[in-house]
Amino acid sequence: SQQGEEDPQALSIQEGENATMNCSYKTSINNLQWYRQNSGRGLVHLILIRSNEREKHSGRLRVTLDTSKKSSSLLITASRAADTASYFCATGSGAGSYQLTFGKGTKLSVIP
Amino acid sequence: EPEVTQTPSHQVTQMGQEVILRCVPISNHLYFYWYRQILGQKVEFLVSFYNNEISEKSEIFDDQFSVERPDGSNFTLKIRSTKLEDSAMYFCASRATRTDTQYFGPGTRLTVL
Repeated sequence: SQQGEEDPQALSIQEGENATMNCSYKTSINNLQWYRQNSGRGLVHLILIRSNEREKHSGRLRVTLDTSKKSSSLLITASRAADTASYFCATGSGAGSYQLTFGKGTKLSVIP
Repeated sequence: EPEVTQTPSHQVTQMGQEVILRCVPISNHLYFYWYRQILGQKVEFLVSFYNNEISEKSEIFDDQFSVERPDGSNFTLKIRSTKLEDSAMYFCASRATRTDTQYFGPGTRLTVL
């Protein structure tokens, strides 16, 4: 698989349920960032976790990072219909410009 | 809250024409980026720009592409002679010094006919 691969590719849940999305990557990273994209729109930054962190919270979001397994997960608790979007992980690595490498994304549908 | 802005939101052009996509990064940011997303595919890095020069570029960013910061606020991407396969959403992003978070604009949808 390529750097920053999310699974599942698509996830459909009922409003109020929790949604978990996973991301795997191959190379060493400095940080991993999660973004949300509503259909055909821009990328909204959700949360950044550094390589020396294991877990981070922001509101209803919880991100974990396991550098030994080169994987991360994004948990959205108590989902809402407005959470319907595609979610991407992006890894930043190396020195210099910190270009981001994105995965293909998980398309989350929250059914009211 | 400051945000990255991009114009136009949608650009339609004929194959072979030149297009310029415009971005206004967040005002105190010094690192600027262009990415693109072909419909249904991953967001791909094109180029990064710092201190008035390109710091990194991807294989996609060939001689048909150029970037410029013509004044203190704008950051542009020019495609000299567009091809059908350049049709994509183009995102500008910016980042402040000593942070890793990149903030993205809403994108410009480029359609090459």
